[in-house]
Amino acid sequence: AQSVTQPDIHITVSEGASLELRCNYSYGATPYLFWYVQSPGQGLQLLLKYFSGDTLVQGIKGFEAEFKRSQSSFNLRKPSVHWSDAAEYVCAVGARGNDYKLSFGAGTTVTVRA
Amino acid sequence: EAQVTQNPRYLITVTGKKLTVTCSQNMNHEYMSWYRQDPGLGLRQIYYSMNVEVTDKGDVPEGYKVSRKEKRNFPLILESPSPNQTSLYFCASSLAGVIGELFFGEGSRLTVL
Repeated sequence: AQSVTQPDIHITVSEGASLELRCNYSYGATPYLFWYVQSPGQGLQLLLKYFSGDTLVQGIKGFEAEFKRSQSSFNLRKPSVHWSDAAEYVCAVGARGNDYKLSFGAGTTVTVRA
Repeated sequence: EAQVTQNPRYLITVTGKKLTVTCSQNMNHEYMSWYRQDPGLGLRQIYYSMNVEVTDKGDVPEGYKVSRKEKRNFPLILESPSPNQTSLYFCASSLAGVIGELFFGEGSRLTVL
């Protein structure tokens, strides 16, 4: 079974600074990988996804993520953070052949300071 | 507007008092699912449904029931709630074959005393 770990529970970043959130997965083959964002009082919204091909994927809201097979990682990045990016970010992994079964990380809460 | 609607958004109840959390989607999605979110544990799947009259257990189904009589609705039933079911619950839906592109409701925060 697949699993995912987000090592950072909470990150504080200054507005305008860059952001990188870590995600490590455990799965025997190439998984499906996702990043979701959860704003306070809201449900999760899909930011981006990786299925195959180019290992650098672009998402909404100016986010990108890079799949690194050698490190079993799928880290999320944004070059310049805006105050509205304060939220919880959740990484998820899916297994090929079991298309609807996602395993979610515990999430990383991002605080943006002025 | 495409959305997944859950009700109630907030509920405080007592042990053993049956309750239902409704979930409705207006996107004609085949797949629907319920999750609970607890601090430090992430989202865990309770039940899911691939289509009308087709439901299956997720990772943490104990103490919950679901039904899928219509495509748009997927209610979560707690027959006899217990304090360990205090949690934040999310309903989600997606099109069949569109992997991982889940649309989530806003969540239902349930407290069982």
